Amino acid sequence: SQQGEEDPQALSIQEGENATMNCSYKTSINNLQWYRQNSGRGLVHLILIRSNEREKHSGRLRVTLDTSKKSSSLLITASRAADTASYFCATDARLYNFNKFYFGSGTKLNVKP
Amino acid sequence: GAVVSQHPSRVICKSGTSVKIECRSLDFQATTMFWYRQFPKQSLMLMATSNEGSKATYEQGVEKDKFLINHASLTLSTLTVTSAHPEDSSFYICSARDLRGQGREKLFFGSGTQLSVL
Repeated sequence: SQQGEEDPQALSIQEGENATMNCSYKTSINNLQWYRQNSGRGLVHLILIRSNEREKHSGRLRVTLDTSKKSSSLLITASRAADTASYFCATDARLYNFNKFYFGSGTKLNVKP
Repeated sequence: GAVVSQHPSRVICKSGTSVKIECRSLDFQATTMFWYRQFPKQSLMLMATSNEGSKATYEQGVEKDKFLINHASLTLSTLTVTSAHPEDSSFYICSARDLRGQGREKLFFGSGTQLSVL
């Protein structure tokens, strides 16, 4: 990918279990964001964490950020079948007067009912 | 949230033809839009940044004469794949930022265009 790698590439769990995805990136960032993509569709923003934050929660989502290791993790608790999708982290690279967004390689999550 | 509309959702064309993909911000003005390309089971690759009223900024390795971008208004950006070949077959997605309010740092995406070149 242009920015970094995510692992695992694929994750299959049972409904009710927690899902953890990790993202590593290459450059300095202003913030890191997580997006979700259903197959063959556009992406939907899930959560944003700023470079000066270490952890953030939103509903069943928990994001951590370690800028020293250039890594982030997304935890989805009590997963549901509807959470089945691909998840991408994205980092912004401020260039001149506008931001450019680069995406990680993604984790394909399958939640079995 | 802000809405980005992308058309067509799917296009099949013959090799050598040109294909235009439209990306519209429906309820906000977007001075900047981003075009991504996605191969099967892979990540999104940023192709170019579309700037209203000026030339697009292309990422390294992306042929600007091959992928023509026009951002003539604050709500419309177009990507034209010129003289398409089978290797151009891919999923193309546009996105934009809504600079109003507190959500200005996140991207809103179109639903994507699946291009198949025969």
